[in-house]
Amino acid sequence: GQNIDQPTEMTATEGAIVQINCTYQTSGFNGLFWYQQHAGEAPTFLSYNVLDGLEEKGRFSSFLSRSKGYSYLLLKELQMKDSASYLCAPWGYNKLIFGAGTRLAVHP
Amino acid sequence: KAGVTQTPRYLIKTRGQQVTLSCSPISGHRSVSWYQQTPGQGLQFLFEYFSETQRNKGNFPGRFSGRQFSNSRSEMNVSTLELGDSALYLCASSLSPNYGYTFGSGTRLTVV
Repeated sequence: GQNIDQPTEMTATEGAIVQINCTYQTSGFNGLFWYQQHAGEAPTFLSYNVLDGLEEKGRFSSFLSRSKGYSYLLLKELQMKDSASYLCAPWGYNKLIFGAGTRLAVHP
Repeated sequence: KAGVTQTPRYLIKTRGQQVTLSCSPISGHRSVSWYQQTPGQGLQFLFEYFSETQRNKGNFPGRFSGRQFSNSRSEMNVSTLELGDSALYLCASSLSPNYGYTFGSGTRLTVV
């Protein structure tokens, strides 16, 4: 199978910056998605990287290195509402393979 | 515009029964995927359909099946339900990967 590793939990302070890392086995994947999921809700799309490098979208940025099987999600100017699970999902063959997710808790 | 609609939202079934879940994608989206989410296993891919054809299937037993209709609406069926099938079943539709996959609110299935 494709091992996808991301930290289980992280905590950060409101207004700070946090980086959530994700590593995965590279075989068969063409790109990588990041999703946010609040407790009891459906995942919502944050970013998609198909090329190596950094994609910036407002307070959220995502980086991908396909050769290294490495990605990170950078969240700036953290807000309390950013407390959620963040799911790394390599994509290939028309399917997403989700990691277990990183639970982020933002404190005042 | 309307999002991805899944029905029903909640379902309670007895072991051995079968169940059919429905998903209506965003208008214009021809790709529909199904995922199972449980606390222990996380989000796992079930299958993906595009223009009524199954393009990919995850590692689930044959009791799990699906189909897609000409209007892109999709159904998934689970036969001979087991307690371990209790989960949140999520459907996602996509115009193309560059635009991401949009998830529905899911159907929470409880097998007793």
